[in-house]
This record gives sequence, C-alpha cells and structure tokens, in this order.
Amino acid sequence: NAGVTQTPKFQVLKTGQSMTLQCAQDMNHNSMYWYRQDPGMGLRLIYYSASEGTTDKGEVPNGYNVSRLNKREFSLRLESAAPSQTSVYFCASSARGYNSPLHFGNGTRLTVT
Amino acid sequence: GENVEQHPSTLSVQEGDSAVIKCTYSDSASNYFPWYKQELGKRPQLIIDIRSNVGEKKDQRIAVTLNKTAKHFSLHITETQPEDSAVYFCAAPQDKVIFGPGTSLSVIP
Repeated sequence: NAGVTQTPKFQVLKTGQSMTLQCAQDMNHNSMYWYRQDPGMGLRLIYYSASEGTTDKGEVPNGYNVSRLNKREFSLRLESAAPSQTSVYFCASSARGYNSPLHFGNGTRLTVT
Repeated sequence: GENVEQHPSTLSVQEGDSAVIKCTYSDSASNYFPWYKQELGKRPQLIIDIRSNVGEKKDQRIAVTLNKTAKHFSLHITETQPEDSAVYFCAAPQDKVIFGPGTSLSVIP
C-alpha cells in the first residue's frame, strides 16, 4: 500500500519548456488535489478534483492544467514553464472530499531557470 | 471565499512547556477542522481533526478545541518535545481545502 505516489521527485526545466507531473493513489479515494509550496511559505491550492470526471480551479490556477485520468491518477501540466513556477508541488487525495483527511505524496521539487 | 488565519506565525517554547496555536475561519458553514504537521523537507501529515458536533478531542499530548460561535479552533500540545518542532497548518474546508498560512513551532531542549 504505497498511498500517494508522485513522479518525478526532482525536475529542472528551462523557461518555456513544458512538463507533466504525475500523481497516483492506491487508496480508492474520490478526491485529489494539487498544491504548491514556495520556500518558507504555506500550501496554495492549484486545482482539485472532487470526484472522477470533475476538476475545479483552486487559489492559483494560472499557468497550469490538470487531467483526472481515472480514479487513481491526477496529473498537473505546465505548458510553458516560468521561473515563478519554481516550487515544491504536492499531490494529495481524500476519501470523501473536503470533509475527510488529506493524504499527501512526498512532493516534486521543480526548478525553472 | 474561505479565509483562514493562524496565530501566532512563529512560536518558540522550552521543552516540557505547552504550546497553543489558534486558527480562525470566516465561513460558518465549515464543519470539519483538521490540523497538519509538516517537518522540514517532508510532506504534511494529519495529526488531529475535529468535527463540529464536538467541542474537544484529545490524542495523547495533542488536543483540539472548537468554538463554532466564535469561528475559531485551537491546537494544544502539552509536554512539548524537540520532535514537535515543525510547521503546523490548519484548514476549514468548504468545497475547497484552503490552508492557513502556517505556524512554525520551535521546541528548545
């Protein structure tokens, strides 16, 4: 039982490059989330998926797109990376939406030069 | 949208003392109130949560109290230990899970 798995763990991009961050959970959770955490800062919600087939914007969605591929997988895409997107990205899942605990992955550390 | 505040933003205590962190929220419809702990370089993890039908919940050295009328809830850590040093986040979710800005707790041996 791995919980929430994020890939890759580390990534360096040049400005303008694109990439997709992958997230998968094996707990049969309905809801999934993407957060970013800048150094010394809190967790800011980028996008979330309350259930399979739905996605909604969070606090800071600009510059990102998401896909809820199936119940297990929720990917985050940066179409044209910018230095302001340098951050640690956390994926999380919860069994029953916002009223149940979030389980976080170990994060992806992204640097955009 | 939901506004979640935490106080204090930083807290330093001597080992063995108690620590209290307060979280205030704006949406009176919230009914689930979790606290997460994030150690340096690690992922956030739930340490305790409370639902609106109870006023207090304890788990060993950790407790959470809720005042729905005043729209705040607090994390209480007793007999603090160096391993309690971390950043603590609260949330008062309403469709979106928005976190407070965090409180950095340092426990001095």
